[in-house]
Amino acid sequence: NAGVTQTPKFQVLKTGQSMTLQCAQDMNHNSMYWYRQDPGMGLRLIYYSASEGTTDKGEVPNGYNVSRLNKREFSLRLESAAPSQTSVYFCASSARLTEAFFGQGTRLTVV
Amino acid sequence: LAKTTQPISMDSYEGQEVNITCSHNNIATNDYITWYQQFPSQGPRFIIQGYKTKVTNEVASLFIPADRKSSTLSLPRVSLSDTAVYYCLVGDMRGSARQLTFGSGTQLTVLP
Repeated sequence: NAGVTQTPKFQVLKTGQSMTLQCAQDMNHNSMYWYRQDPGMGLRLIYYSASEGTTDKGEVPNGYNVSRLNKREFSLRLESAAPSQTSVYFCASSARLTEAFFGQGTRLTVV
Repeated sequence: LAKTTQPISMDSYEGQEVNITCSHNNIATNDYITWYQQFPSQGPRFIIQGYKTKVTNEVASLFIPADRKSSTLSLPRVSLSDTAVYYCLVGDMRGSARQLTFGSGTQLTVLP
């Protein structure tokens, strides 16, 4: 089983550019999440989607938008990238709240 | 949301048992306790979950005292490959998905 798949794995952007991080899960989970993890830090929740058609802000939503395209896919968009958004981004999904499955991450550098 | 407190780091030697304690004084009646493990450059991985007393699986044991204000993750006979960050989470599985929040975790370093 693929589990949670994130694309791309690596990306370098220039300040002001936009991009969309893709996430797909094949476990039929209702809930999906986007996190960022800065070096030496824990994960911080950006946005989450409790079910298809709903999205809500997490701890650090500023500068990001999300789309829950269908039950499988949850994308994260940076409209105008800033160096402060350099981070590793993780997507996760869960059927139950506290047992989540994570993707391998997208390492984003904004120069 | 119940706040959790864990040690920032711990060192151990191969073959030893490691116990990592998490404090969650404000745990609510419906909250479960869950532990995740994260290796460098990977996403966190679910280890174990419990509500009270003791839970054991092939990877670890989780001890929860009667008052549930703390929990201890026990890793038997650690090896170098157990070097990772361990996160304790507390949340109501029937509540908002927002409750899947991570703290800073405990960096466990296993030495040869």
